[in-house]
Amino acid sequence: DTGVSQDPRHKITKRGQNVTFRCDPISEHNRLYWYRQTLGQGPEFLTYFQNEAQLEKSRLLSDRFSAERPKGSFSTLEIQRTEQGDSAMYLCASSYGEIYNSPLHFGNGTRLTVT
Amino acid sequence: GQQVMQIPQYQHVQEGEDFTTYCNSSTTLSNIQWYKQRPGGHPVFLIQLVKSGEVKKQKRLTFQFGEAKKNSSLHITATQTTDVGTYFCTRDDKIIFGKGTRLHILP
Repeated sequence: DTGVSQDPRHKITKRGQNVTFRCDPISEHNRLYWYRQTLGQGPEFLTYFQNEAQLEKSRLLSDRFSAERPKGSFSTLEIQRTEQGDSAMYLCASSYGEIYNSPLHFGNGTRLTVT
Repeated sequence: GQQVMQIPQYQHVQEGEDFTTYCNSSTTLSNIQWYKQRPGGHPVFLIQLVKSGEVKKQKRLTFQFGEAKKNSSLHITATQTTDVGTYFCTRDDKIIFGKGTRLHILP
């Protein structure tokens, strides 16, 4: 069990550019979550997958954000036309189960800075 | 909306003092989970509570789930510097996290 890994750890980009982050969950985990966290706040839900199906997406998420989990394993989160307000830590988490109550295992996150 | 509210937002305690954080939901929960996030780190799962009135202990940490399954508390006895961090509760679908309680320990 190597844990949840995220790549890159840090990303600095200029406003208007597109960025893509990757998350590799724990191998047997069928659920994968993306969160965004800013300083002093709790993780803010973005979206979640069960296997390859994207089951829920936050209403707060604009159309500039898209996530995929094509084979039910790793996932990517893309932000198009980045804005300074997108600067945050993007956390990925995975869990196993058919019901909601299995614990989340978080990765170390990708810190995005939009200049 | 279905929120979880945590109080207090910040807590400063002298090392050795006790600490309690509270989590309140606007709706009845099937279960609640608690996580700890150290400064610069990511949230780490602490415990899950499922039954009404449930009490669980982990060394100096005591977790309670309210009888109505709408609130929960985390109590730390005799805090240590290793307890520093932010403690979050999350609703049973794990989609909604509270804002957390940030614990500072004064030496």
